[in-house]
Amino acid sequence: GDSVTQMEGPVTLSEEAFLTINCTYTATGYPSLFWYVQYPGEGLQLLLKATKADDKGSNKGFEATYRKETTSFHLEKGSVQVSDSAVYFCALRYNNNDMRFGAGTRLTVKP
Amino acid sequence: EPEVTQTPSHQVTQMGQEVILRCVPISNHLYFYWYRQILGQKVEFLVSFYNNEISEKSEIFDDQFSVERPDGSNFTLKIRSTKLEDSAMYFCASSTTRGGQDTQYFGPGTRLTVL
Repeated sequence: GDSVTQMEGPVTLSEEAFLTINCTYTATGYPSLFWYVQYPGEGLQLLLKATKADDKGSNKGFEATYRKETTSFHLEKGSVQVSDSAVYFCALRYNNNDMRFGAGTRLTVKP
Repeated sequence: EPEVTQTPSHQVTQMGQEVILRCVPISNHLYFYWYRQILGQKVEFLVSFYNNEISEKSEIFDDQFSVERPDGSNFTLKIRSTKLEDSAMYFCASSTTRGGQDTQYFGPGTRLTVL
């Protein structure tokens, strides 16, 4: 079935380091792809999304490009901040109501 | 900015008891969802709801679960007879349309602890 696989965490980086969180998906069609972020004690917030191949989603310095050829949607940020510490979830969705999430990757950024 | 709200933030209950988790979706949204996240595991889809009926549900959503929109603003998840394995974070979400490109907006979650 359709699924999302994320790199396992936790990921610990120093402030201003480059971040990559890998996400690959398995799907029979062409889903929309999402990154959600969960800050400590809070719910899931949409970070960015891409709805078709080669689209790039971006927000708050984060970027991810929908790569159909590699079935990937890796999250990147050029310079992380302490405030980026959170759990990041990759997800996919078709034209239905079932959003499939990855397991989540915990990021800790140290000053 | 409009947001999805959920109450309570934490619910503790005894095994076998009924619980009702409450959600207020964003006011102009038409589609409503429940997800759960068992500690350390993936966020899993439970059910979606539109036009006062369930539109899709997962295999997790068995007969002990039910959903309701009792009025124009609330959306509830009821667990009739809780089990230990129901302990999880439950997230409510809403969206304007059913389309895959549409964003689902999530609430902060209710942590359910079954003792």
